[in-house]
Amino acid sequence: NAGVMQNPRHLVRRRGQEARLRCSPMKGHSHVYWYRQLPEEGLKFMVYLQKENIIDESGMPKERFSAEFPKEGPSILRIQQVVRGDSAAYFCASSPPSLAGGNEQFFGPGTRLTVL
Amino acid sequence: QQPVQSPQAVILREGEDAVINCSSSKALYSVHWYRQKHGEAPVFLMILLKGGEQKGHDKISASFNEKKQQSSLYLTASQLSYSGTYFCGTDSGGSNYKLTFGKGTLLTVNP
Repeated sequence: NAGVMQNPRHLVRRRGQEARLRCSPMKGHSHVYWYRQLPEEGLKFMVYLQKENIIDESGMPKERFSAEFPKEGPSILRIQQVVRGDSAAYFCASSPPSLAGGNEQFFGPGTRLTVL
Repeated sequence: QQPVQSPQAVILREGEDAVINCSSSKALYSVHWYRQKHGEAPVFLMILLKGGEQKGHDKISASFNEKKQQSSLYLTASQLSYSGTYFCGTDSGGSNYKLTFGKGTLLTVNP
């Protein structure tokens, strides 16, 4: 059973360009979460999605950032007009349908975004 | 509010024990522990739920004190493979998914 897949693993963009990060959850998982990690920092929750639905985007910056999880295909985190402060590692996690008492989240290897 | 982890870093010799603490200023529904090696994905270790429980597998165990709003991770007879950064993720809203992570504890196990 393949784990959570993310691509690209490394992405370099110039200021003002767009960045698209992809995440394919584990087989059988319908919940996807995106986190951002700055150097020497913990992971920060950005958004929680189920198929075709954004459940909680309270951690997403109000501008330039968007996320989707279409019926077919991977989840996409999109950053428009990137700035240097967007440079970070972006991790995707997935979990199976909700169970009472908390779900184990399985993380992908991350995409390291560098904005020049 | 980000949970506070202590210590920030610890260095052990193989076979020694370590305790990593995670404290929150908010009431907690659950605590999740992960280990991350440099450049890799965080790997799930365990979830502890509201109710003050203790869990463990192999030589890694954890406790959750709901009243004190804290959790501790215990690593006994450490192995070289235990090296990495340990993060606690807390759920203080009862969402079952929205985790707030601490800054991590860097554990280095030397031969």
